[in-house]
Amino acid sequence: GAGVSQSPRYKVAKRGQDVALRCDPISGHVSLFWYQQALGQGPEFLTYFQNEAQLDKSGLPSDRFFAERPEGSVSTLKIQRTQQEDSAVYLCASSQGTSRYNEQFFGPGTRLTVL
Amino acid sequence: GIQVEQSPPDLILQEGANSTLRCNFSDSVNNLQWFHQNPWGQLINLFYIPSGTKQNGRLSATTVATERYSLLYISSSQTTDSGVYFCAVVTSGTYKYIFGTGTRLKVLA
Repeated sequence: GAGVSQSPRYKVAKRGQDVALRCDPISGHVSLFWYQQALGQGPEFLTYFQNEAQLDKSGLPSDRFFAERPEGSVSTLKIQRTQQEDSAVYLCASSQGTSRYNEQFFGPGTRLTVL
Repeated sequence: GIQVEQSPPDLILQEGANSTLRCNFSDSVNNLQWFHQNPWGQLINLFYIPSGTKQNGRLSATTVATERYSLLYISSSQTTDSGVYFCAVVTSGTYKYIFGTGTRLKVLA
């Protein structure tokens, strides 16, 4: 079966541009997570959705970051007015249920480079 | 917040050698996973192991939740085992993973 997919795989943006990153979770997975991974570091949590509800956005670094999942399936992470410090790999993960005991499955990530 | 420390930070092995990677966490956890991040950046699920012992081929893992640590064993290592190994935990009251500091493994042919 298909895993988590993300697009684009690579994105180069000029400082100040807006970008949109897409995540397609595993079909039927209720929970969806976004993480940010800086070079040489482990992934860090950004935000969490249960179906279409954004239950935790405590990891979003600034109000320039916005995520949505309007129909409880595909999710988009939007970064407005990109800055160089936004350069990182953005990872999406999904899990089957709503319990914190569920296994998370990760997509291949989108590598964002801000010039 | 919870601290998740992994050791060793770096490890170089000759092909065929065995190794043990350790993950220590500073608070009780509801969930723990081990991942292998390959050189292309993909996080591959190795074990979902909040407690107990599991084995999958050359890999096995043990989590002793009461003592707040988990171990990942790699036997007969292969060059394809190279990459970074992360443990990640979920604490009570949250759903998000907190990732450890990682162990960077290089297996030489």
